[in-house]
Amino acid sequence: GAGVSQTPSNKVTEKGKYVELRCDPISGHTALYWYRQSLGQGPEFLIYFQGTGAADDSGLPNDRFFAVRPEGSVSTLKIQRTERGDSAVYLCASSRTGDNSPLHFGNGTRLTVT
Amino acid sequence: GNSVTQMEGPVTLSEEAFLTINCTYTATGYPSLFWYVQYPGEGLQLLLKATKADDKGSNKGFEATYRKETTSFHLEKGSVQVSDSAVYFCALSDQGGSYIPTFGRGTSLIVHP
Repeated sequence: GAGVSQTPSNKVTEKGKYVELRCDPISGHTALYWYRQSLGQGPEFLIYFQGTGAADDSGLPNDRFFAVRPEGSVSTLKIQRTERGDSAVYLCASSRTGDNSPLHFGNGTRLTVT
Repeated sequence: GNSVTQMEGPVTLSEEAFLTINCTYTATGYPSLFWYVQYPGEGLQLLLKATKADDKGSNKGFEATYRKETTSFHLEKGSVQVSDSAVYFCALSDQGGSYIPTFGRGTSLIVHP
């Protein structure tokens, strides 16, 4: 079946603008994760959803970052007042249940803030 | 908190050479351990995993053994191929961390013909 889909694959925006990044997980997967990956680094956890609710948002760096998953499927990561330091690849992953079941990753959205 | 340390890359090998990529971890509980692989242009995918001490995970000729005494989970392959060229990420998850995986920085492997 279809894997995890992330759109757009690339996003270039100006400093101070607002951006939305979309993730479409594998159908039936209840757990959804957002990570951020900077060049030469591993994925850094941002937020985890179980169903519609954010079960753990401890990785969000500040209140400019927000994510939603209103129907327990598609998720949107929203970044307000973007800064150059937000430039990174944003990864989305889903898993069937969340308790140690393997993560399935999308190809990521490369965000560049100029 | 939980953390994962991987050897720095890139690791450059000739085809059919033996591969070891070192991974050590720090965890407060009894974690499960994973290796993920990212091929060029693709997303990360699970390569293998081990859920308790002395377990060996294996897949596609790769192996890793969960060593609690040395807190390690080194990845090995006896004979690498050009198609193994990728970035390899070691990761752990445990109940104390709500099973949210913590990743290492990744190790790039380049295999020459």
